[in-house]
This record gives sequence, C-alpha cells and structure tokens, in this order.
Amino acid sequence: IAGITQAPTSQILAAGRRMTLRCTQDMRHNAMYWYRQDLGLGLRLIHYSNTAGTTGKGEVPDGYSVSRANTDDFPLTLASAVPSQTSVYFCASSDGTGGNSEAFFGQGTRLTVV
Amino acid sequence: GQNIDQPTEMTATEGAIVQINCTYQTSGFNGLFWYQQHAGEAPTFLSYNVLDGLEEKGRFSSFLSRSKGYSYLLLKELQMKDSASYLCACMDSNYQLIWGAGTKLIIKP
Repeated sequence: IAGITQAPTSQILAAGRRMTLRCTQDMRHNAMYWYRQDLGLGLRLIHYSNTAGTTGKGEVPDGYSVSRANTDDFPLTLASAVPSQTSVYFCASSDGTGGNSEAFFGQGTRLTVV
Repeated sequence: GQNIDQPTEMTATEGAIVQINCTYQTSGFNGLFWYQQHAGEAPTFLSYNVLDGLEEKGRFSSFLSRSKGYSYLLLKELQMKDSASYLCACMDSNYQLIWGAGTKLIIKP
C-alpha cells in the first residue's frame, strides 16, 4: 500500500541519548516535513525539505537535524535528547509546495524522554 | 505574528449539524486547509479553500472569507465516527502551513 511510514511507533529514551526517527514515502513526493504535536498546541514544523538534497528550518528546529539524501527518506535526528522533546512526531509529504498541495501524514512516533 | 484560532472543544448530537469556526492572521495567504484527526492517529485531509465561498464535499462543507480572515467547517448528519479533532491550517506566503491547535468534537447519541 502506497503511503508514508514512520519508525519506531513509540520509544522511551534516556535523556542525553541520540535517536533517529525514520520516515519513508513511496509516493515520489518532492516535499517532506517533520512536525511535533503537543497537547493544546498546533502541529509545529521542525524541519522541511522541498526536494531531495535540500532542507530548511521550521518553527522549532533547535535540538533536531535532518537529511534528505534521496526522494523517499527523511530521517530526523535528536543529537542529545532532553525531556522537553517528549512529544508525538509526525512525518508528512506532499507532491509539491504550491497552495493546494495536500499533505499526507505518517502514523506518528510517540517519543518519551526520561 | 501568525495566529490560528479555533475552539478547543465542541459537543454535538448524532444526526445534527455542527459548525467549527477558524480565524486566522498570517503573513500572506495561499489557502486554508481542514484536516481530521482521530485520537492516536495521523491527520487526514478534508478540504482546501483558496477563493471566497463554500466548497461542498458530501456531508462536509468548508467556507472561506479572505477579507474577514475566517473559515468554517460544516458537518451535516453527524455520525459517531465523526468524533475527532478538526485542524485548521493556513498556508502563508512562504507556502508553509501554520496550524491551529485543533477542535475536539464530541458526538453524543
């Protein structure tokens, strides 16, 4: 089934550890995004990539890094996790960056940093 | 600054009609999206408006007034499965989505 897949589904991580959240899409979408979703807040953009080989910073990029080596994969790395990074992380992709580009979301990764 | 406002929670009765409002202030405007998100699941696309007026899609309709910075999502013939959060998002001048916190809709029998 075509779509966007995230791994892991959930993770408990010790503070200070390094962690990479994986995201893969098979829809050949150019644009990909990483969001975090916290209770009472809207989805907040962490990093984005408009096309393979390029990345950009979103609203809350500190403590996170991304890479886009190819069209399909867009991993998110927490270099040294802190408790404030406890959240649900969603990866998304869209066919383009134009106005009517619908975003497709992965199932999310629930991360708890202790 | 950029801001999206929508009610935190609404309650409605099965079979009824409910309107979820969204007001926005963004740097530029390239359209407004509504997404549905069931608890513990990913958001899924419902509608997109870029011109003023009403877009109807089955039981769901979405309205936009650009001059007022206002949109609403109208859900008719409510079903229990419509219990979910409804997210309003605006695309700004940089084609980035700015998201509201979402409206949790509770449907009662």
